[in-house]
Amino acid sequence: KQEVTQIPAALSVPEGENLVLNCSFTDSAIYNLQWFRQDPGKGLTSLLLIQSSQREQTSGRLNASLDKSSGRSTLYIAASQPGDSATYLCVLSSGNTGKLIFGQGTTLQVKP
Amino acid sequence: DTEVTQTPKHLVMGMTNKKSLKCEQHMGHRAMYWYKQKAKKPPELMFVYSYEKLSINESVPSRFSPECPNSSLLNLHLHALQPEDSALYLCASSQELLPNTEAFFGQGTRLTVV
Repeated sequence: KQEVTQIPAALSVPEGENLVLNCSFTDSAIYNLQWFRQDPGKGLTSLLLIQSSQREQTSGRLNASLDKSSGRSTLYIAASQPGDSATYLCVLSSGNTGKLIFGQGTTLQVKP
Repeated sequence: DTEVTQTPKHLVMGMTNKKSLKCEQHMGHRAMYWYKQKAKKPPELMFVYSYEKLSINESVPSRFSPECPNSSLLNLHLHALQPEDSALYLCASSQELLPNTEAFFGQGTRLTVV
């Protein structure tokens, strides 16, 4: 059974720091991996999608990497800003059932 | 347009009420999903529709009744809910049935059952 773990559960950093959020999964047979952002009480906003054949994706200050063999993905946020404060979810598509597998999330606070 | 639109944003209902949640997308996606999310937990899958047909029901109680009238619209009909059903209800869509595609989520409906 595929399991997704995100470490740390919470993170607080001063503005301007570069930071890394970690995601690990138990089964390397994945189709793709998405990183989402969720603000309190709001929906999920897709940040980056990495297909299983890709190693990384970049969008602005965000960079996500995927290493299927080790069962790991990282989300790198450069020059963090208070507006980056949110919960970040690592989500896998694994198996052809139409189901997404969610990590528990990392709640990030960026202090001005 | 990469939006999934959910209405209403907030809903308060009594345990004897009947209400409906609505979800709409105009991206031509053929798969649509309902998720339930409790505070500080990841979303949990409830229903999956593919080409307007129910594909997955995750053993959801019958007081939740999904409906997909057309390829752009997904409803969730609510009846005789319990206070523990209070949660954020999220709709999502994808081009085809997952896994080999990207999922897009709406902003959710915050439901409170009193």
